[in-house]
Amino acid sequence: ETGVTQTPRHLVMGMTNKKSLKCEQHLGHNAMYWYKQSAKKPLELMFVYSLEERVENNSVPSRFSPECPNSSHLFLHLHTLQPEDSALYLCASSQVGDEQFFGPGTRLTVL
Amino acid sequence: QQQVKQSPQSLIVQKGGISIINCAYENTAFDYFPWYQQFPGKGPALLIAIRPDVSEKKEGRFTISFNKSAKQFSLHIMDSQPGDSATYFCAALAGGTSYGKLTFGQGTILTVHP
Repeated sequence: ETGVTQTPRHLVMGMTNKKSLKCEQHLGHNAMYWYKQSAKKPLELMFVYSLEERVENNSVPSRFSPECPNSSHLFLHLHTLQPEDSALYLCASSQVGDEQFFGPGTRLTVL
Repeated sequence: QQQVKQSPQSLIVQKGGISIINCAYENTAFDYFPWYQQFPGKGPALLIAIRPDVSEKKEGRFTISFNKSAKQFSLHIMDSQPGDSATYFCAALAGGTSYGKLTFGQGTILTVHP
């Protein structure tokens, strides 16, 4: 595997479920990002981890919980989501201060 | 002040034509302006980027024009091809952080007809 991978690619969950999104980067980068992409809206930065420390949390509801166990892996834990949370969730990585490389995203549908 | 405004929302161009997408910003701390291209089912991919010390950057058929005084920048796609049909996002990054906090425009859906 090369670049940034995300699993699963598609996820359907009920509002009471708990699920996790996984991101893995094979680029040796030291910063990782979660973005939310909704229809007709700009990409929204959710969380940033730089050198495995969370350095940005853009007023994201607590039902989204990130985890970065090491510089290559990033998780987004989901619980009690709302239908309006349905979106494409993108992971990206970069070397600190350099361009970002995006994964293919997880298409999330909350019923 | 953190917004980047992108227009048009959608664009239809004939093969061989010129596609032009415009972006405007307010935050003078922005010092890096990338353009991303996104195909359906894929994440955005960096297409071309510019810093404000130059007014134009060209890579193949893709050119960024930058107007620092007007706080505007645009993407020009020359000789547009059907394979260029995708969503294009402009973005801006403010210096002074140890990581890349990009602010994205709303995106432009480009369709190039054969």
